[in-house]
Amino acid sequence: EIVLTQSPGTLSLSPGERATLSCRASQSLSSSYLAWYQQKPGQTPRLLIYGASSRATGIPDRFSGSGSGTDFTLTISRLEPEDFAVYYCQHYGSALYTFGQGTKLEIK
Amino acid sequence: QVQLHESGPELVKPSGTLSLTCAVSGASIGNSDWWTWVRQPPGKGLEWIGEIYHGGASHYNPSLKSRVTISLDKSNNQFSLKLSSVTAADTAVYYCARATWIQLWPAFDYWGQGTLVTVSS
Repeated sequence: EIVLTQSPGTLSLSPGERATLSCRASQSLSSSYLAWYQQKPGQTPRLLIYGASSRATGIPDRFSGSGSGTDFTLTISRLEPEDFAVYYCQHYGSALYTFGQGTKLEIK
Repeated sequence: QVQLHESGPELVKPSGTLSLTCAVSGASIGNSDWWTWVRQPPGKGLEWIGEIYHGGASHYNPSLKSRVTISLDKSNNQFSLKLSSVTAADTAVYYCARATWIQLWPAFDYWGQGTLVTVSS
């Protein structure tokens, strides 16, 4: 079973700064079935990125995903106040879904 | 617009069975896609529970497989979760979601608002 490890656990940044969130898999994800979700306090998770790098419908272009193999990255180019939330990566493989433990992006 | 809505008891006794239903509107669960359950213990991360296909096939998280059943009710356009032998560790917000394939990639694109289920005597 693949384990996804997200880092850092908490990231403290200011609006306008660039955020880089990491998701590392315990084995190579040969098919890049990697997605990213955003969850704000008290809210439902929202799909941001699928297929490692494709933005979901309605997601601003300041959000981008990249990576392959075992290392994947979610980048937010210029943080807006509404971007401070918890972010999860998710993998699908062998008829199973796995989530990372999350990265909390907080205002510095 | 696809909408999902969870319902069921908010309090379940230890060793009992947790039962939730997810009503779907804006899509027919009998036509396509997978329909899934995810849970989130208070203050913790997301855990995938399992999914069911419109044709009836299902997959479960190995850590929960022995206690989980997900089923479809096509006539009412809803699907259900049953989790048996619950303990306090099963206390969580339970979400239902649609697991779809966007081009060649899987993703959970629509989610219910979630329902908190507490296991306590």
